[in-house]
Amino acid sequence: AQTVTQSQPEMSVQEAETVTLSCTYDTSESDYYLFWYKQPPSRQMILVIRQEAYKQQNATENRFSVNFQKAAKSFSLKISDSQLGDAAMYFCAYRSGEYGNKLVFGAGTILRVKS
Amino acid sequence: DTEVTQTPKHLVMGMTNKKSLKCEQHMGHRAMYWYKQKAKKPPELMFVYSYEKLSINESVPSRFSPECPNSSLLNLHLHALQPEDSALYLCASSQRGDEQFFGPGTRLTVL
Repeated sequence: AQTVTQSQPEMSVQEAETVTLSCTYDTSESDYYLFWYKQPPSRQMILVIRQEAYKQQNATENRFSVNFQKAAKSFSLKISDSQLGDAAMYFCAYRSGEYGNKLVFGAGTILRVKS
Repeated sequence: DTEVTQTPKHLVMGMTNKKSLKCEQHMGHRAMYWYKQKAKKPPELMFVYSYEKLSINESVPSRFSPECPNSSLLNLHLHALQPEDSALYLCASSQRGDEQFFGPGTRLTVL
């Protein structure tokens, strides 16, 4: 079975600074997808960024980028120029294959942004 | 419309009550999901419907009964719940193989 590990229960960052959230996963599959989801307090969970395992290029979405190390099974999220609105719980998630339906979530990391 | 809606937003029920949670999406997605989420924990998958058929049941107690009346609607019928069932219940939908879109959730309290 696949597992996802987020080893940082909480992180803090100063506004405008950069922060990196860690995620490692374990799988024997070669075809899979990785995601970072953001869940602000009492608000909806939204997708931040996704990475297809077959793509070597790291995904980026504006201030959000990932460092995908397939051999090391590592998938960290870098947030640049942190903003107060980035404060949230961040979940790393794994999904099997192109048509897999089941997301395996990590335990989550609470990100606090200081002004 | 890229939205998943859920009603009600909040629900308080006694252990002998019967209630239902509703979820709706108009994105043409053919997979819909129910998750249970406790505070500061990741969502736990309960059920997956694919093309209106139950495809995954994560050994959920029978006091939770899902229903998919059509491709846009997903219900979760609740009966004889326990206080430990109090949680945020999230609905999500996806096109096959694509990202899941989550609804805002129903916060359920069982007294």
